[in-house]
Amino acid sequence: DAGITQSPRYKITETGRQVTLMCHQTWSHSYMFWYRQDLGHGLRLIYYSAAADITDKGEVPDGYVVSRSKTENFPLTLESATRSQTSVYFCASRVKTVSGELFFGEGSRLTVL
Amino acid sequence: DQQVKQNSPSLSVQEGRISILNCDYTNSMFDYFLWYKKYPAEGPTFLISISSIKDKNEDGRFTVFLNKSAKHLSLHIVPSQPGDSAVYFCAASALGDTDKLIFGTGTRLQVFP
Repeated sequence: DAGITQSPRYKITETGRQVTLMCHQTWSHSYMFWYRQDLGHGLRLIYYSAAADITDKGEVPDGYVVSRSKTENFPLTLESATRSQTSVYFCASRVKTVSGELFFGEGSRLTVL
Repeated sequence: DQQVKQNSPSLSVQEGRISILNCDYTNSMFDYFLWYKKYPAEGPTFLISISSIKDKNEDGRFTVFLNKSAKHLSLHIVPSQPGDSAVYFCAASALGDTDKLIFGTGTRLQVFP
C-alpha cells in the first residue's frame, strides 16, 4: 500500500542495546523527519533529511543516528539505548515546499528497560 | 526552551458547542503555522494552516486565527462533534528555516454528548 510505514510498531529493549527503527515511504517525498512524542513535551524533532545523503539535526538529536541512502528509507538508530529514550517515535515525510504539511506514519512505541 | 506552547493540556466541550484551542509562540521568526490532529495509536494528520500574512483561515467547521502582535494563534471548531475528540498540536516554521516544523505540547479535546 502507498504511504508511510514504520517498523516495528512496538519494541522492548534493554539499556545499552542498539535499536533501529525503520521508516519507508512510497511517495518519493524529498523530506523525511523523525519526531518523538513524550507527555508534556509534545512532538520534538530528532533528525530530518532534505534528500538522499543529506541529513541534519533537529531539537533533540543526542543519542540518535540517521542515514538516508535511498529516498524512500530513513532509519533511526539508537546506538546505546537509555531509559530516557523510551518514547513513541513518529516518522514523517513531505514534498519540497515551503508550506510543510507533514504526512506521518503510525508510530513506533519503544520501551527501554 | 519550548518555542511553541499549548498551555491547556486538556479541554472538555459539549457536542454542538464551540471548541477553542490556544497556542502561543515565542519565536518572532515563525511565519507559517499548522494544526495537526492525533487519534490514539495513529500518527498526527494535518488539519489546517495559516500564513503570517493572514489573520484568519477557514475550512469548514475549523477556523484558525493568528494574532502576530500577541504571538498567539487559536483553533476554533464549530460545532464540535464527538469525532473531534483527539489531541491537537499546533506547529510552526520559521522564515529562513522552513525545513523544521516545531510542535507544541498538545491539547487533548474531549467532546461529550
